[in-house]
Parts: sequence; C-alpha cells; structure tokens
Amino acid sequence: AQRVTQPEKLLSVFKGAPVELKCNYSYSGSPELFWYVQYSRQRLQLLLRHISRESIKGFTADLNKGETSFHLKKPFAQEEDSAMYYCALSGTMGGTSYGKLTFGQGTILTVHP
Amino acid sequence: DGGITQSPKYLFRKEGQNVTLSCEQNLNHDAMYWYRQDPGQGLRLIYYSQIVNDFQKGDIAEGYSVSREKKESFPLTVTSAQKNPTAFYLCASSMRPGGNQPQHFGDGTRLSIL
Repeated sequence: AQRVTQPEKLLSVFKGAPVELKCNYSYSGSPELFWYVQYSRQRLQLLLRHISRESIKGFTADLNKGETSFHLKKPFAQEEDSAMYYCALSGTMGGTSYGKLTFGQGTILTVHP
Repeated sequence: DGGITQSPKYLFRKEGQNVTLSCEQNLNHDAMYWYRQDPGQGLRLIYYSQIVNDFQKGDIAEGYSVSREKKESFPLTVTSAQKNPTAFYLCASSMRPGGNQPQHFGDGTRLSIL
C-alpha cells in the first residue's frame, strides 16, 4: 500500500522567511513524488516532480529515501506563494508506473506581508 | 481556458437518486481520473481510466460508476448506494497512462444532498 502524510494542515510564515512544507511517504517499492499546488480561484496544478530536479517559482524538493520524505522548501517566501499544497506519490515496480497517484491531506500555506 | 471541463459546477441530489457528473477534455489525453476531495482528507481516487473502454477502481469506488466510451469523456455517476456523497469532485487527465504522468485538473463539481 502507498501512503502520503502531510503533518501540517496549516502553515503561516512572514514574507521573506524560509518555508518548509513537510511530506512523508510510505511505499515499499520505488516511488515517484510530486508537489501539486492550488492557488486561490485556480485549478490544482503540478508544481514540481522529484525526477526533474528543478526549481519552480523558487521551490525545491529533495527525495530522501532514508527518511522517506519529500519536503518542499523555499528560502524566501512571497505573498503569492499562499495556496494549498499537496504532496503526491506514484508507485512503480520494475520501472513501470502504476496507474494511480496517492495524495496527502494537503497543507494550506499563508504568507503574511 | 479549455483543457478539462467539468459540469455542472454545483449539483444537488435527492435521497435515492443517481446523478451524473460530466468531465470532458480536449487535450487528446489517454488517461482520465476522478477524485473526491473532503476537508482534511486530501484527494482520494475514485476511478481511473488508462484508455478508452477500460477503467479501474480507485481507493473509494463503492457507490460510484463510470464509463469511458469516448477518449474525451469520462462521466462519473454517483449512485444511491453512496451514503455520503456530499463532497467536491475533481476530474483530471494525463497524456499517457501512469501515475508518474503530470495530471491536469478541472474546476470541480460540488455535490450536495437536498
């Protein structure tokens, strides 16, 4: 079974402060991890995926297989980062991806001016 | 913007009634998904379809049914067997099958019980 846990339902920071949204997963095989984001009055959309190893809007996330974590980080938060963030996992076996994505419960990030 | 269109935006169901939520995509994507979103529980997968005329149950399929007769359409029926249907329903699609494919989401349908 695959499971994703986001321990913080709400996270508040001030503009310019560092931010870290936590994500832990449980999966016995080789996972692929994603962060999805939903800004106010917009659709849920992909933010980044671990295999891309890229920084999107200043956010990065590193897959730590030892700690089974995929925390999302940004060194200097901006007000426009305020949104709902979902961590998601796709299981793979032998290089083949299963059909489904498992989402965490989500974290609402609020960045205060 | 186009992409994925869900309708209606709001839907009300009477007790014992089946209702169907529409999801259409013009992205030429192979795979489509239905999720249910409840406060504090994130998104839970109801059904998914990797190709036309094929679909699989997700984690919470009981009380729901789907069809995939056309590539662009993946309607979800909430049957009277679903005892707690009040929720926000999201449809998504991906270019290829596989959970590792980026998924594109619609605006959602909010279903309530009268």
